[in-house]
Amino acid sequence: ILNVEQSPQSLHVQEGDSTNFTCSFPSSNFYALHWYRWETAKSPEALFVMTLNGDEKKKGRISATLNTKEGYSYLYIKGSQPEDSATYLCAFKGGTSYGKLTFGQGTILTVHP
Amino acid sequence: DAGVTQSPTHLIKTRGQQVTLRCSPKSGHDTVSWYQQALGQGPQFIFQYYEEEERQRGNFPDRFSGHQFPNYSSELNVNALLLGDSALYLCASSLGAGGVRDEQYFGPGTRLTVT
Repeated sequence: ILNVEQSPQSLHVQEGDSTNFTCSFPSSNFYALHWYRWETAKSPEALFVMTLNGDEKKKGRISATLNTKEGYSYLYIKGSQPEDSATYLCAFKGGTSYGKLTFGQGTILTVHP
Repeated sequence: DAGVTQSPTHLIKTRGQQVTLRCSPKSGHDTVSWYQQALGQGPQFIFQYYEEEERQRGNFPDRFSGHQFPNYSSELNVNALLLGDSALYLCASSLGAGGVRDEQYFGPGTRLTVT
């Protein structure tokens, strides 16, 4: 059974704060790590697909890093805004899981004005 | 360009009934995956359809079945509904049959309530 864990489960920050959260996944048989942002009543939106150890990706104020050897990825948000409030999901794709994504339970971020 | 669409948005069924959920993939996509998200959990993979065949399945009982049509749209069928089947059902589409960088685009989901 694959274990993909995200921490913390929820986070409350003030507008302007920078924040980060963690996704832990199996370090063996790694294929790719996906990050999604999911706002209430909308579809999950793809943020990043990360494949190589040491990968760093950036999209505006959001960035992510990947360590496949130790099995973790960090997502950073710089200068949080209320519109960043959402659930952030990571999903692991293993070498033998053709197309299947194994998701963590998500981190719920609330940014207070 | 239409994204992934799902119907219906919400559905209420009684235990023991059967339900069919529908998904139209993003234009140009040929692969459809279904996920179940129970309250407080991340989405759980049910199965994936490619070229009208189920090519991968998660840990779900045979009560969960699916179909993919020649136009790549897909249906998820659940028989003999249980209270525990109450969840948000997400459909995701992608191009090709997997691969390292394939992105899965998600629909807004169908909320199923079983009473």
